Amino acid sequence: NAGVTQTPKFQVLKTGQSMTLQCAQDMNHEYMSWYRQDPGMGLRLIHYSVGAGITDQGEVPNGYNVSRSTTEDFPLRLLSAAPSQTSVYFCASSYSRTAGKETQYFGPGTRLLVL
Amino acid sequence: GNSVTQMEGPVTLSEEAFLTINCTYTATGYPSLFWYVQYPGEGLQLLLKATKADDKGSNKGFEATYRKETTSFHLEKGSVQVSDSAVYFCALTSPDTGRRALTFGSGTRLQVQP
Repeated sequence: NAGVTQTPKFQVLKTGQSMTLQCAQDMNHEYMSWYRQDPGMGLRLIHYSVGAGITDQGEVPNGYNVSRSTTEDFPLRLLSAAPSQTSVYFCASSYSRTAGKETQYFGPGTRLLVL
Repeated sequence: GNSVTQMEGPVTLSEEAFLTINCTYTATGYPSLFWYVQYPGEGLQLLLKATKADDKGSNKGFEATYRKETTSFHLEKGSVQVSDSAVYFCALTSPDTGRRALTFGSGTRLQVQP
């Protein structure tokens, strides 16, 4: 089991460029989510998915798009990068879509710098 | 809305010292409470959790008790090691419709000196 994998590990973008952050899990988890981590602010939810074909917005969705065509993959797209999107991005997954008591498993993160 | 408040760091301790990291929360309903740990250069991993009032979560010598009356979930360890140096996040999930998102505190950096 590779768990939750993310690529790339580090990326530098210029303002206005677009890119996709990849996230995959091999645990057959239904629930997947994206967070961003900024200094002194903990992690904040960007988007989440409770299953293939189902996505919804989190706390800070502006400037990001997601889709979920398979159970395994949950890519995060930046349409037009801005310096405010400089952050560390974490993907997470968990098995059950119920109750919120289950453990969430995090990927190693993608560090993004927007110039 | 939901929120989690943690003590600010960094917390610097000598090896074998006693650790307490305070965490209080505000949530609707009956949340589940978690402590996640982030070692340098890595993602977050679950340290322990408690899903109902008065439950005690424990792992690797760390403990935390879900106190509904004080809305707290303080993390404790009797004797820290250098290898415990990391950032610790208190978090919760509440039974909001459809969402399993974690609400995180801002994190507390622990530095343990030999």
